[in-house]
Amino acid sequence: DAGVTQSPTHLIKTRGQHVTLRCSPISGHKSVSWYQQVLGQGPQFIFQYYEKEERGRGNFPDRFSARQFPNYSSELNVNALLLGDSALYLCASSLDPMGGYTFGSGTRLTVV
Amino acid sequence: SQQGEEDPQALSIQEGENATMNCSYKTSINNLQWYRQNSGRGLVHLILIRSNEREKHSGRLRVTLDTSKKSSSLLITASRAADTASYFCATDAGGAQKLVFGQGTRLTINP
Repeated sequence: DAGVTQSPTHLIKTRGQHVTLRCSPISGHKSVSWYQQVLGQGPQFIFQYYEKEERGRGNFPDRFSARQFPNYSSELNVNALLLGDSALYLCASSLDPMGGYTFGSGTRLTVV
Repeated sequence: SQQGEEDPQALSIQEGENATMNCSYKTSINNLQWYRQNSGRGLVHLILIRSNEREKHSGRLRVTLDTSKKSSSLLITASRAADTASYFCATDAGGAQKLVFGQGTRLTINP
C-alpha cells in the first residue's frame, strides 16, 4: 500500500502569490489533516477534513483554505503569500479522526 | 499555543545507552501519541497511549502516561545511530479533532 503522498516536494514562491499543495491519503483513509511546521518548532494544526467536510480549523488566517475531494484526496490553498508562510506543510491521514495518523513527507514551501 | 512540552529540548547519548524523553500537557486528553521526525521530513507514528492506559510497549520503545500529573515519558532502550531524530509528543487536546504538538526533543546518538 502506498503511504500518504504529497506534491510537490519543494516549492519556491514570491510574496503575494498563491500556492496549492496536494495530498493523497492512504487508501481507505477518510480523514485528512494539514499541519504547518516552521523550522525548529512542532507542527501546528491547520485543517481537518473527514468525509469531505471540514471538521476542524486551527488558528490560521482566511488566506488558508482547503478542501477534500470525493476520492478523499485534499488540497491546501494559501493566498497572498507572506515570508512567514515559509514552512514544511504536512498532510496526515487516518482511518479514524481520533486515532493515530500517518504523515506524508511534506511540501517544503519557501516564500521569497 | 503548544499543548505538549517536551523535556529536554536536546539529548545526546552514546550508542547502546537508554534515552528518556518527557512530555507535559495542560488539558485533559483522550490519547497521547509519540512521533519521530528525521531531518525535517515527515513524521513517523511511534505509539499511541489512551488515557485509561498507564504503560505501553512497542519493540525498544516504552511509553508511560500519568494523567494525574499530565505527563508522559518515552524510553528508547539500547539506542542505535538510526534513532537520531526529533521526537514529538502530541495530544488530542481534550477531544478536539486535531493533534497538538510540543516543540520536540532533538535526540543524537553518538557512535
